[in-house]
Amino acid sequence: DIQMTQSPSTLSASVGDRVTISCRASQNIRSWLAWYQQKPGKAPKLLMYDVSTLQPGVPSRFSGSESETEFTLTISSLQPDDFATYYCQQYSTYSGTFGQGTRVEIK
Amino acid sequence: QVQLVQSGGEVKKPGASVKVSCRASGYTFTNYGISWVRQAPGQGPEWMGWISVYNGDAFYGEKFRDRVTMTRDTSADAAYMELGGLSPDDTALYYCARVRSGSTDDALDIWGQGTLITVSS
Repeated sequence: DIQMTQSPSTLSASVGDRVTISCRASQNIRSWLAWYQQKPGKAPKLLMYDVSTLQPGVPSRFSGSESETEFTLTISSLQPDDFATYYCQQYSTYSGTFGQGTRVEIK
Repeated sequence: QVQLVQSGGEVKKPGASVKVSCRASGYTFTNYGISWVRQAPGQGPEWMGWISVYNGDAFYGEKFRDRVTMTRDTSADAAYMELGGLSPDDTALYYCARVRSGSTDDALDIWGQGTLITVSS
């Protein structure tokens, strides 16, 4: 099974901060990686797929990048609506492992 | 609008089975796959498997392979997930989610509201 290791588990930041969240795959997943945002009591919401393609309606302050098996979600200027938990997910080879999540909290 | 509506929560005894339904609307059901994902209280999501709505082929996560069955009824625009051999560790919110394309290799763009399954003696 492919493992996804996400870090940090919690991140404290202020409105306007630049925030980065990392996700490492245990093996090559090509570019089959998505990021989701989840707020309490709600289902996860797709932010971007194929590493860096934004879902329609997602603000451009969200971006994604990759370097081999290391993937990064960046929020360029954190907004009040962005305080939530973020998950990466790989979707290669008939599997769909999620990372453990990163909770972004108000500093 | 495009949406997935799931059946209501259930309480089950250890050893029992549960079947959750997921009804789609607002799009052509057979053009997309459906994945099932569960989330235990306070935990991250866990992918359970995927079904091709087009032909019914299903692929299951290794952890669930011997006790989960995913099916679909194209006449009802509905997908189903049945999990057997329940234990208290199966207590979780169970989500169905639409796969962006017809294949397994894609992200989940539309999610149901979740179905809470509680396993308790």
